[in-house]
Amino acid sequence: DVKVTQSSRYLVKRTGEKVFLECVQDMDHENMFWYRQDPGLGLRLIYFSYDVKMKEKGDIPEGYSVSREKKERFSLILESASTNQTSMYLCASSRQIKPNQPQHFGDGTRLSIL
Amino acid sequence: AQKVTQAQTEISVVEKEDVTLDCVYETRDTTYYLFWYKQPPSGELVFLIRRNSFDEQNEISGRYSWNFQKSTSSFNFTITASQVVDSAVYFCALKKIGGGSEKLVFGKGTKLTVNP
Repeated sequence: DVKVTQSSRYLVKRTGEKVFLECVQDMDHENMFWYRQDPGLGLRLIYFSYDVKMKEKGDIPEGYSVSREKKERFSLILESASTNQTSMYLCASSRQIKPNQPQHFGDGTRLSIL
Repeated sequence: AQKVTQAQTEISVVEKEDVTLDCVYETRDTTYYLFWYKQPPSGELVFLIRRNSFDEQNEISGRYSWNFQKSTSSFNFTITASQVVDSAVYFCALKKIGGGSEKLVFGKGTKLTVNP
């Protein structure tokens, strides 16, 4: 079974802090994704990566950056956290060779910015 | 542009009732994949099914069934004899085939509550 592990289930940070959300997958997947989920808005793609050191902006990249130094790890960075970034963050991974393969998701990190 | 619409924001049923979750999509692509995911209260999105645009056969898996109709751009999901454990948020998603795009476009989700 694919395992996507997010480092924290719950996180509380302060406005202006630099925040790191970590995601690790154990299935050698090429693609990794970061989404945020908000009530009434569904899942929105922040950034994704299709290879080490490669990244592409999703639909809402403002205020975020990402890092992919190793294939299995994809980090989401909030450079200077703001209260409007309070949300549920979901990481996902998928195989690149087979486009019909689903994305596999982690348990999510519920982030509160005070 | 691609778009997925799940018009039902919340549905509440009593156990053993059948329930259908609607999904309507928009795309200019002729080849694409459609997916359904389940998100229980624990938070993790669980993959349920995928369907490619060439295959309009309906599918049944236990109490779950899916009705894909290309003519109406719909991919509806029916749960027969619902159970309390079916309570979750369900997401429909669309993915383009080819062109290097790996992105999924999600609907906003339908929250299903099954009451005992």
